[in-house]
Amino acid sequence: QKEVEQDPGPLSVPEGAIVSLNCTYSNSAFQYFMWYRQYSRKGPELLMYTYSSGNKEDGRFTAQVDKSSKYISLFIRDSQPSDSATYLCAMSAGQAGTALIFGKGTTLSVSS
Amino acid sequence: DARVTQTPRDKVTEMGQEVTMRCQPILGHNTVFWYRQTMMQGLELLAYFRNRAPLDDSGMPKDRFSAEMPDATLATLKIQPSEPRDSAVYFCASGPSGRVGEQFFGPGTRLTVL
Repeated sequence: QKEVEQDPGPLSVPEGAIVSLNCTYSNSAFQYFMWYRQYSRKGPELLMYTYSSGNKEDGRFTAQVDKSSKYISLFIRDSQPSDSATYLCAMSAGQAGTALIFGKGTTLSVSS
Repeated sequence: DARVTQTPRDKVTEMGQEVTMRCQPILGHNTVFWYRQTMMQGLELLAYFRNRAPLDDSGMPKDRFSAEMPDATLATLKIQPSEPRDSAVYFCASGPSGRVGEQFFGPGTRLTVL
């Protein structure tokens, strides 16, 4: 079992839909949880950042962490064609500057 | 607009040849990471540095890969000899001290080994 599991999709939704992306993990030491977005032929870029459990909202994006279930989610409200990308979850147990463990990514396509 | 730069963007080479990829991290960032991305394996960590010192290179095949930071503005990843299974996109990322997980990725080097 990999440390971080993520359904690769692809996930196709119409514009305006609510999107839910999820990851599960096995290492209970993970404390830092991130979502990166990667457009085709680009490097990943940090989208959301959460420490420990709870919710964080930023515009149309909401990140949720449930450490008891070892489960994290990213919700996208009012999805737009520009949200079409691959979304990677990432986690770390360590101090600043330590390596991240990434999920394989979920490919999302939002059609207009 | 500070960003991580990588060269070359694309590289096609023949099996057995040496490949060198270069990365210029964001000025002031003290950690530098090398990742490899493939469809099958996703994003895998190869090596990373903090304050130019190598911290972990357990993800690299030691017999053919080497990573160095000759100075704070340059990180290199070298493959010698290259093999077809090394074909992938190689990303460099840098991060500031004090914030776990905040990594800024370069555009990647797309390597094809024939």
